[in-house]
Order: sequence, then structure tokens, then C-alpha cells
Amino acid sequence: GENVEQHPSTLSVQEGDSAVIKCTYSDSASNYFPWYKQELGKRPQLIIDIRSNVGEKKDQRIAVTLNKTAKHFSLHITETQPEDSAVYFCAASGTTSGTYKYIFGTGTRLKVLA
Amino acid sequence: DAGITQSPRHKVTETGTPVTLRCHQTENHRYMYWYRQDPGHGLRLIHYSYGVKDTDKGEVSDGYSVSRSKTEDFLLTLESATSSQTSVYFCAIRETPGLAGSYEQYFGPGTRLTVT
Repeated sequence: GENVEQHPSTLSVQEGDSAVIKCTYSDSASNYFPWYKQELGKRPQLIIDIRSNVGEKKDQRIAVTLNKTAKHFSLHITETQPEDSAVYFCAASGTTSGTYKYIFGTGTRLKVLA
Repeated sequence: DAGITQSPRHKVTETGTPVTLRCHQTENHRYMYWYRQDPGHGLRLIHYSYGVKDTDKGEVSDGYSVSRSKTEDFLLTLESATSSQTSVYFCAIRETPGLAGSYEQYFGPGTRLTVT
């Protein structure tokens, strides 16, 4: 079945450094790739997304890149700050028989060290 | 918060009892989803709905049933709760596509369920 693999499971960086989280998806019909940030005890919040007709998208300090051929997409956070510490989830979604399902990665716990 | 609420927010129940969780949305979105979240597993889809009375199974549907008799409400039922169903349950909606074709999914606040 459809699968999304996410790496690494934990990531520690110094404040001001960059962080990169990578995901691989299996379903070639996937055409939408969101990233969520989840703080402790809170709901996942959408932070950035990308569609399959775009290779890169930026929003201030965060960016997402997509390689459709390799079925890889990545989240890049630059100039990390302590408030970036959270669990990040990638997901892949596509249309199957006219319905929309989202398959999530298992999450990356990012720690930004002051 | 995309107008999504969940009830109850916390529940403790005993093994073998039935439990129903409610997801309510106020913005008339067609698609609604139920996920469970467990350490090391991320978010796993239980069931989803693509319209009133239209539902389908996700990857971890065993032991769960759903109903959607109104656009705004999506109910998740554990017919006979087991300890393995102790989890945090999130409801989500997919925005109704506009001219640009939105695919965005937003989550409710979650329900923490403990089965003893």
C-alpha cells in the first residue's frame, strides 16, 4: 500500500543553523505534499505545502523541495530558533477513485539548542 | 482552527465499553477524516468521509466504525474498546477547493482516550 518514510526521527541543531528533514513516498499518483508542525499537546498545524507541478516553494525561513522522479521531498528550515523545536510531519496525498487520502510520515522531533 | 471542534476532549473508559467521539465543523467542508496518533507511528488514518453517508476505511479501521448523517458531524465509534485503542484521536477536514484548487487539511484539537 501507500507509504511515506521520514528521516531522521530526531534532529538536534544549534540555534542559527539549518535543519533538513527528508521524506520519500511510494504512490506515484501523489500530487500534494504538506508539512505539519506539532507542538507538545497541540494539534498538527500546516506550515507549508507543495504541489507536484512545482519543484520548490519558500516562505520566509522555511522551504520545501520536491523531486517527483525520485519521489523525494524535503523541508528546509534556515536560521533555526528555539521556537522551531517541535515534531514535524510530512504527508503525501493524491486522488484515488475521486477521493482524497493523506498518508503521513512518522515524524521528526527537532530540537533547537540555544 | 477552521471551525473544527471535538468532543469529548478527554475520556477514560473501561475495556469492553462502547465509546463515541464526535467531530463537528461549521464551514460545510465535504471531506472529513479520523486519525489516531501514537508514539512512533505518526498519524494513521482510521476512516474518512467524502460526503453525507459516504465513508471509507483507512489503514487502521479494524475495531472502529463511523457515521456521517449531517455535513457538520462525523462520529467515530469504538464498539467494544480495547487497551490497544488508547490513543490521541484527531479529526480533520479538507478544505473545499476554490478556484485555485485547495488541498489543505486542517486538524481539530484532539481527543485523548484512555482504555483501562
